[in-house]
Amino acid sequence: GAGVSQSPSNKVTEKGKDVELRCDPISGHTALYWYRQSLGQGLEFLIYFQGNSAPDKSGLPSDRFSAERTGGSVSTLTIQRTQQEDSAVYLCASSQLAGGYTDTQYFGPGTRLTVL
Amino acid sequence: AQSVTQLDSQVPVFEEAPVELRCNYSSSVSVYLFWYVQYPNQGLQLLLKYLSGSTLVKGINGFEAEFNKSQTSFHLRKPSVHISDTAEYFCAVSDIRNAGNMLTFGGGTRLMVKP
Repeated sequence: GAGVSQSPSNKVTEKGKDVELRCDPISGHTALYWYRQSLGQGLEFLIYFQGNSAPDKSGLPSDRFSAERTGGSVSTLTIQRTQQEDSAVYLCASSQLAGGYTDTQYFGPGTRLTVL
Repeated sequence: AQSVTQLDSQVPVFEEAPVELRCNYSSSVSVYLFWYVQYPNQGLQLLLKYLSGSTLVKGINGFEAEFNKSQTSFHLRKPSVHISDTAEYFCAVSDIRNAGNMLTFGGGTRLMVKP
C-alpha cells in the first residue's frame, strides 16, 4: 500500500519568505508527527496530531512554526519568515492507535528545505 | 525528559564481519526503545523495538538488540553484515506514559560496510 508521502521533496527559498510543507499520511492512521533533521541538532520532534485532539506543539522551536491537519488526514507545516537555521530535512510520520498506544511510526522521505 | 547517546558517529566494518552499534539512554521514567535505519535519500525505517517482555529483540534484516535496564543500554548487533547494510542507524526512546509516543533520537551512527 501507499506509504507516507511528502511534498515538495526539495525546497529552496530566500531568507524571510514563508514556506509550506505538505504531508499525506498513510490512510487510516490517526496519529501524525513532524520531525526535523538537521546537521547541528540531529532529529528533533516538532509537533504531534492525534485525531481531533489539540495538537502537542511542545517541540516547535519558535512561533514562526505552525502546523495544521485538515480533516484528520493531510497536514501542512508552515514556516514564516524563514531563517538560515531553518535549513533542514523535515520528516513526517504517521501511526495507528492500538490499545491506547500509538504503534510504529512510518516515516515519509522528507522535504529538504534550504534557506539562502 | 529523555536523552539518547550513540557513542560512535561512524563505524567502519568489513563485509561478513560482526557489528555492534551502541546506544545508551537517560530517563527518569520507563521508556520504549527503538532502532531505525535510514538509507541514503530515504526516510526512516523501523528495524526493531522493545516495548516489554524478553529483553532480546529480533528485527528485520538479521539485526537484534538487547535491552539492559541496569546499564540503560539498547545496543544493536548483527553477526555478519552485508554491503547493503551501509546506512545511518538511529536509536530512539519514548516515554511510556505518553500515548503520543513522540520519539527522542540519538545523534545517529553511520555504518560503513567495506568489501
